[in-house]
Amino acid sequence: QKEVEQNSGPLSVPEGAIASLNCTYSDRGSQSFFWYRQYSGKSPELIMSIYSNGDKEDGRFTAQLNKASQYVSLLIRDSQPSDSATYLCAADTGRRALTFGSGTRLQVQP
Amino acid sequence: EAGVTQFPSHSVIEKGQTVTLRCDPISGHDNLYWYRRVMGKEIKFLLHFVKESKQDESGMPNNRFLAERTGGTYSTLKVQPAELEDSGVYFCASSQDVPASGYGYTFGSGTRLTVV
Repeated sequence: QKEVEQNSGPLSVPEGAIASLNCTYSDRGSQSFFWYRQYSGKSPELIMSIYSNGDKEDGRFTAQLNKASQYVSLLIRDSQPSDSATYLCAADTGRRALTFGSGTRLQVQP
Repeated sequence: EAGVTQFPSHSVIEKGQTVTLRCDPISGHDNLYWYRRVMGKEIKFLLHFVKESKQDESGMPNNRFLAERTGGTYSTLKVQPAELEDSGVYFCASSQDVPASGYGYTFGSGTRLTVV
């Protein structure tokens, strides 16, 4: 079992819709969670971080964390074609060494 | 503010040769990390420096890999001798400690290493 699991996709949504990206993790010691966006051939870019159960909103992005279910999600509202990228979920047990999922490829159709 | 800089951006070497990758973190960032992504798999942690000290090198695959961070500034990652399975993208990242609000890495653009 992978430590951080993501559906590889592609997840295809129409422009303007809500994209929902999901991630599960196996290490209950994980304390912090991160969502990175990576365009093809580029470096990962931090979008959101979340540490407490519940929702955290930043513009069009909402991160959700449920530690009991070991589940993290990222919602992207009003999806745009420019949001098309691979989204990486990462977890940290406090060691500062992030454990990444393999990423979900999102395609936003114009 | 300059970002995290890595070079070379690409390197093609023969099996058995030595390659040195360099990373310049964002100025003032004490924390420097090396990660790599091989063969389309997930990004994997290699090691973490705090200033010039190795905080965690649990992800280093074997003793063919040597990382240094001279004076707590830039870092190098040397692979000697390189093997075919070392091919992949090597990312460097840096961060500041931001208490309470957490921290986030800033990644460099990576070095694509191809061992032939």
